[in-house]
Amino acid sequence: DMQMTQSPSSLSASVGDRVTITCRASQNISTYLNWYQQKPGKAPNLLIHAASSLESGVPSRFSGRGSGTDFTLTISSLQPEDFATYYCQQSYTSPSWTFGQGTKVEIK
Amino acid sequence: QVQLVQSGAEVKKPGASVKVSCKASGDTFSSYGINWVRQAPGQGLEWMGWISVDNSNTKSAQNVQDRVTMTTDTSTSTAYMELRSLRSDDTAVYYCATDRLAPFDAFDIWGQGTMVTVSS
Repeated sequence: DMQMTQSPSSLSASVGDRVTITCRASQNISTYLNWYQQKPGKAPNLLIHAASSLESGVPSRFSGRGSGTDFTLTISSLQPEDFATYYCQQSYTSPSWTFGQGTKVEIK
Repeated sequence: QVQLVQSGAEVKKPGASVKVSCKASGDTFSSYGINWVRQAPGQGLEWMGWISVDNSNTKSAQNVQDRVTMTTDTSTSTAYMELRSLRSDDTAVYYCATDRLAPFDAFDIWGQGTMVTVSS
């Protein structure tokens, strides 16, 4: 079974900080990697698909990189509205998907 | 733009069944899949299953495949997920989501979520 491992599980950062979240797949998934942001009490929101394609309306401070098994989500300058939980998801095995366990970004 | 509106919160007893609906509006109900994702309180996202709107093919996660049934009604643009033999660990928010970004099949549109509580 495909496993997705995110690190760290949580982090504390200040407004303006550069933040990087890592996602590792247990097998090669090419660029079939998506990133979501979820705020408390809300449905997840798609930020990036295909590892690096930013969704319409998502601020350019968000970026994604990687291919194969190792991927990153970077927020170049953390804003107050970015404090949330972030999930990676592999879609290589569609129609079966796997999420990472999530990374909670908290205010320092 | 597609919108997904889910049915309201449910409280069920252990052993019962629950059926959650997900009504699509704003675009043609075709050429994509509807996925079901759940999130237990304080936990992460768990993919449960997928149904093709076009041909009703389904795929389920192994841990629920014996208890879950997914269907669609194209006449009302509505998808349904029924979970049987409910247990306390089925208590979660259940989301539906479309996967329209072929070939990468990311979940681009989500419903608002339906809270299902299983308690005696």
